[in-house]
Amino acid sequence: DGGITQSPKYLFRKEGQNVTLSCEQNLNHDAMYWYRQDPGQGLRLIYYSQIVNDFQKGDIAEGYSVSREKKESFPLTVTSAQKNPTAFYLCASSSGQGDQPQHFGDGTRLSIL
Amino acid sequence: AQKVTQAQTEISVVEKEDVTLDCVYETRDTTYYLFWYKQPPSGELVFLIRRNSFDEQNEISGRYSWNFQKSTSSFNFTITASQVVDSAVYFCALSEAVHNFNKFYFGSGTKLNVKP
Repeated sequence: DGGITQSPKYLFRKEGQNVTLSCEQNLNHDAMYWYRQDPGQGLRLIYYSQIVNDFQKGDIAEGYSVSREKKESFPLTVTSAQKNPTAFYLCASSSGQGDQPQHFGDGTRLSIL
Repeated sequence: AQKVTQAQTEISVVEKEDVTLDCVYETRDTTYYLFWYKQPPSGELVFLIRRNSFDEQNEISGRYSWNFQKSTSSFNFTITASQVVDSAVYFCALSEAVHNFNKFYFGSGTKLNVKP
């Protein structure tokens, strides 16, 4: 079945540690996105990529980094510079056309140890 | 300023009641798209419906219906005869072009509790 796979489902980070969240899609979508969701809040855009080997900062990119070496994959690294990383992270993909919905993965919940 | 406002943070109803979730958006574009998503406790956002700015026809899909009114910049979602399985957080979203990129703006969500 086509879809988006995020792993791991739960992740714990120690102080000063970088962690990487995986996102893979087999929908043949050009565009991919990372969002952060905090309790009781909407989704805030961290990074997005419209095409392979290209990505742009979203509204809250500080403390995060991404890569887009393959169409199917868009991993997100939460660096030690992100001082408040505890949140629910959602990856999405779309064809990139404005009228097309974004399709979401199941999310990764990141906590601080 | 919020591009998408969902003023209802949480709503509780009893099964079989009708419930309307409000969504008000803000945009200067003439071409834009509106979406509703459902987020069950499992966390994944599930796409429910899309509307473009040129189509103000209301839509009904089973127990779900959507009322799009450009005059009031609203895109409200009604669930008729609610069921326990409808319990979730519902997000309204606006998509508009920003520097050749269609950016999504999500509201803060409305948590719907349907009690048996």
